[in-house]
Amino acid sequence: GAVVSQHPSWVICKSGTSVKIECRSLDFQATTMFWYRQFPKQSLMLMATSNEGSKATYEQGVEKDKFLINHASLTLSTLTVTSAHPEDSSFYICSARDGGPYNSPLHFGNGTRLTVT
Amino acid sequence: QKEVEQNSGPLSVPEGAIASLNCTYSDRGSQSFFWYRQYSGKSPELIMFIYSNGDKEDGRFTAQLNKASQYVSLLIRDSQPSDSATYLCAVKGNYGQNFVFGPGTRLSVLP
Repeated sequence: GAVVSQHPSWVICKSGTSVKIECRSLDFQATTMFWYRQFPKQSLMLMATSNEGSKATYEQGVEKDKFLINHASLTLSTLTVTSAHPEDSSFYICSARDGGPYNSPLHFGNGTRLTVT
Repeated sequence: QKEVEQNSGPLSVPEGAIASLNCTYSDRGSQSFFWYRQYSGKSPELIMFIYSNGDKEDGRFTAQLNKASQYVSLLIRDSQPSDSATYLCAVKGNYGQNFVFGPGTRLSVLP
């Protein structure tokens, strides 16, 4: 159980375009999902917490107008990178808890490797 | 600022040896502790979690927790080259949703 599906697994786009990444909880409902970014050989960096039916909470330094998060249902959160630039090239990973006890673990999607040319 | 610290490594062990990975955390209110494994270019996958002081064993893996010392560790017995990866320690308090991740320790198991 507790499978998180992320799509696409990789994407290449041109500078200035927008890219949407989907994160789905397949066998559980997730009122909260988390979006991380990871640059090569660096640690996970939490970008934002996505809350179903309400606005996302962004970490300090993350531009909310650039990284649009929509959590329209209990099983789907999307991250849209708007007006992407080469410096946005990174590995984006979503995660969710399976809604069990407060101490249930995070489960990660397979990640999306974004390359902006 | 809640912090989780790990030695970045690389930690090199020979095949068949015990690998010991350590993690310390700053928030005394932390209640839940998780170990994730991340292969290069892949997303993290859950290995184990521990909530109570002491040891918890799962196959070749043993998690150890000492809340008084704010210390959690992961032992990997009979290390295999396939265990070569970065191991992330994650900590969560009772309240709120956020997990705090350490920077990870890179483990290299030499054949």
